[in-house]
Amino acid sequence: AQSVTQLGSHVSVSEGALVLLRCNYSSSVPPYLFWYVQYPNQGLQLLLKYTTGATLVKGINGFEAEFKKSETSFHLTKPSAHMSDAAEYFCAVSDLTGTASKLTFGTGTRLQVTL
Amino acid sequence: GAGVSQSPSNKVTEKGKDVELRCDPISGHTALYWYRQSLGQGLEFLIYFQGNSAPDKSGLPSDRFSAERTGGSVSTLTIQRTQQEDSAVYLCASSRTALGIQYFGAGTRLSVL
Repeated sequence: AQSVTQLGSHVSVSEGALVLLRCNYSSSVPPYLFWYVQYPNQGLQLLLKYTTGATLVKGINGFEAEFKKSETSFHLTKPSAHMSDAAEYFCAVSDLTGTASKLTFGTGTRLQVTL
Repeated sequence: GAGVSQSPSNKVTEKGKDVELRCDPISGHTALYWYRQSLGQGLEFLIYFQGNSAPDKSGLPSDRFSAERTGGSVSTLTIQRTQQEDSAVYLCASSRTALGIQYFGAGTRLSVL
C-alpha cells in the first residue's frame, strides 16, 4: 500500500519569501509523484510530476520539487511567493499496479501568503 | 469541451434520497476516475474506468455507491439512500491513457441534510 504524508496543514509565508511544502511518501515500488494545487471552488490542477529520470522537476508558476529516494521525500519549493500562490496544495503518489494510475493523496497544505 | 465538466456544481438533498452526479471527460480520454474530497477523509479514490475493461470499484465505500460509463464517455456516479456522511465534494478526472496525467473537473459539492 502507498501513502503520503504532508507535514503542516497550514503554512504562512510573506510575499517574496521562500515557499517550502513538505511531502513524504511510502511506496513498495518506484513511485510516480505529483503535486496538485486547488484554488477555492475549483478542481485540482497539476503543478508538476516525477516519473523517472531527473530528480529535480520544474513545474508551472515557478514551482519545483526534488525527488529524494533516500529520504522518501518530494518537497515542493518556490523561491519567491506571490499573493496568487495562496491555495491548497496536495502531494500524491500513483499506484501503478495493474493497469490503473490511482492517486493516493496527502491531506493537503493550505498556503497563506501575506503582505 | 476543453476540460472535464461536472454537473451539478452543487447538490442539496435530504437523507435517504438518491442522487446522480455527472461527469463529461475530455474528448478522447479513455480513462475516467471518481474521487471524493471530504473534511474527515481528505481526497480518496472511488472508482476507475478504462476503455471497455471492467471498472475498478475498489474505492467505493459501500454498496449504496455505483457508477457507470456509457459509450466510453460520460459517467454517472449514483448514491442511493444518501446519508449525512456522504456530504463531500465529488471530483471526476480523466486521462488520455491509463497511466496519463489526470485532469480534474471542478467537482460537485453534495450536501445531505
